[in-house]
Amino acid sequence: DQQVKQNSPSLSVQEGRISILNCDYTNSMFDYFLWYKKYPAEGPTFLISISSIKDKNEDGRFTVFLNKSAKHLSLHIVPSQPGDSAVYFCAASGGFYGQNFVFGPGTRLSVLP
Amino acid sequence: KAGVTQTPRYLIKTRGQQVTLSCSPISGHRSVSWYQQTPGQGLQFLFEYFSETQRNKGNFPGRFSGRQFSNSRSEMNVSTLELGDSALYLCASSTGTDTDTQYFGPGTRLTVL
Repeated sequence: DQQVKQNSPSLSVQEGRISILNCDYTNSMFDYFLWYKKYPAEGPTFLISISSIKDKNEDGRFTVFLNKSAKHLSLHIVPSQPGDSAVYFCAASGGFYGQNFVFGPGTRLSVLP
Repeated sequence: KAGVTQTPRYLIKTRGQQVTLSCSPISGHRSVSWYQQTPGQGLQFLFEYFSETQRNKGNFPGRFSGRQFSNSRSEMNVSTLELGDSALYLCASSTGTDTDTQYFGPGTRLTVL
């Protein structure tokens, strides 16, 4: 049973437009969420995080929105650039002591020039 | 500051053999987590070590084990390899507080024939 779901395996967006990547979770104990980006042959790289006391966090072109009642979060990339083409993982934690992140299966974003 | 390093980068083994993977965390980081990445499954959490103790554990069989040394370096061992163990094994280091960002290494690609 996947506790963190990313229902779109892939997404294509035109350069300069907005990319919206979605993530749903089922465990109500989760209270901290992160997005990672992964290029081929490299480990995931941290992008942005949000805790459950907030509903929005911005960092440059990246904004994460959290809707706790819907157990849904989304990552917005504006404007999208070809270098953003990668696999994006949503991760969640909470209810545990220490580091125990549950990752979604990932969404492959392709930004077309 | 040097990043997370993993050795070896690539491994080919046959069924029934055992394998040991190594991870050196970022200097000063005391937490090391291990993940298995397979296509379509995202990152599956194996375990987390903090100050030489296993602090969290995922849902993997006992064939998967690990340890951490006093210098925070960690090893992961898989015994009696199965074809399904073929995957990218990633380790991540952090300071170890619950919500601290994890920094990933490039991974070890294990192929079981």
